[in-house]
Amino acid sequence: AQRVTQPEKLLSVFKGAPVELKCNYSYSGSPELFWYVQYSRQRLQLLLRHISRESIKGFTADLNKGETSFHLKKPFAQEEDSAMYYCALSVGTYKYIFGTGTRLKVLA
Amino acid sequence: GAVVSQHPSRVICKSGTSVKIECRSLDFQATTMFWYRQFPKQSLMLMATSNEGSKATYEQGVEKDKFLINHASLTLSTLTVTSAHPEDSSFYICSARSRDYNQPQHFGDGTRLSIL
Repeated sequence: AQRVTQPEKLLSVFKGAPVELKCNYSYSGSPELFWYVQYSRQRLQLLLRHISRESIKGFTADLNKGETSFHLKKPFAQEEDSAMYYCALSVGTYKYIFGTGTRLKVLA
Repeated sequence: GAVVSQHPSRVICKSGTSVKIECRSLDFQATTMFWYRQFPKQSLMLMATSNEGSKATYEQGVEKDKFLINHASLTLSTLTVTSAHPEDSSFYICSARSRDYNQPQHFGDGTRLSIL
């Protein structure tokens, strides 16, 4: 079965603390994974994709095929990182399966 | 670049009305467009995938006669919710993808549909 799991609905951290948003996937093919972010009252925006292996706004994510994970990490959270984060898996004809999302709250 | 415009952003109408939502790619050719539905505090659920010039592919459980999708050009797809009822009230989001398979999906702002 094709599935994306984000186990945490809400993650609260203090400013300056490290952040890790978890994402696990289930897919028999070669996975293509993304992280999208949705700031308050804004559209979904692409944050990261695993094939780019880049860091955006201080966030990184590494695909671990052994653990079928694609966790999103940032060493020092900032208040402006507060948003809804969705992990997505591209399957078949380039359609995405989204996780249920994790709301990140960065506290001052 | 890669802007997707969705219109209207909000619709409130009476039960039984048909509602059309437009999704436009402003600066690229969208060979594939996707329509999602998002319930409050839940994830995006893919409703259908449409390729320019061909019939949409609907996900299991989505009524194609209820949610009519047209993708007549490389920059425009429309979703028509026919004879809408209160249970159709939701947040509908479109996304678009170009022929360049290296490019990800780009999302519109979404349309909040409220059926009274």
